[in-house]
Amino acid sequence: AQKVTQAQTEISVVEKEDVTLDCVYETRDTTYYLFWYKQPPSGELVFLIRRNSFDEQNEISGRYSWNFQKSTSSFNFTITASQVVDSAVYFCALNTAGGSYIPTFGRGTSLIVHP
Amino acid sequence: DADVTQTPRNRITKTGKRIMLECSQTKGHDRMYWYRQDPGLGLQLIYYSFDVKDINKGEISDGYSVSRQAQAKFSLSLESAIPNQTALYFCATSDEDYNEQFFGPGTRLTVL
Repeated sequence: AQKVTQAQTEISVVEKEDVTLDCVYETRDTTYYLFWYKQPPSGELVFLIRRNSFDEQNEISGRYSWNFQKSTSSFNFTITASQVVDSAVYFCALNTAGGSYIPTFGRGTSLIVHP
Repeated sequence: DADVTQTPRNRITKTGKRIMLECSQTKGHDRMYWYRQDPGLGLQLIYYSFDVKDINKGEISDGYSVSRQAQAKFSLSLESAIPNQTALYFCATSDEDYNEQFFGPGTRLTVL
């Protein structure tokens, strides 16, 4: 079985603060892919990043960075110098062969950035 | 134009009515999915289809049915809507085993 846990239901920060969204996953597969999606208040779901289990290098894209650690089964997402436009629900997802290649989503973390 | 479209975008209906939500995609993907989203519960998979002849139940398929009319079209039906089916419904597509999904804009369904 595969599972994704996003323990933080809601995070509230003030603009320019750094914030980290946690994602912990469980799987017995050695090959798997992890994803982050963003759902802004407008409602659409937007893909942010995909990471495979063999690549533990951290990824940085502008103010966004992702820390993948197999030792702790985590794939955390950090927003540096948060902005109001970062306010959204963020979902972490896991895709494995053992899960029939059907992504398993966490319950999401709602990030509220106050001006 | 959007790659994944859903119609209608909003729908209010009454208990017991049959309703169909439609999804179309221009991405050329074989795989299509239907999810519902309830506050605090994330995305729950209703049905998925890996090609036109393949239909599979997800974790919450009771009360729903689907039809894959073509590679590009995947419809979700509620045969007899009930209030606890009030939710935001998303269609998604993907192409290969480990690739990301592309989501439609969602349909907000209210069952009175």
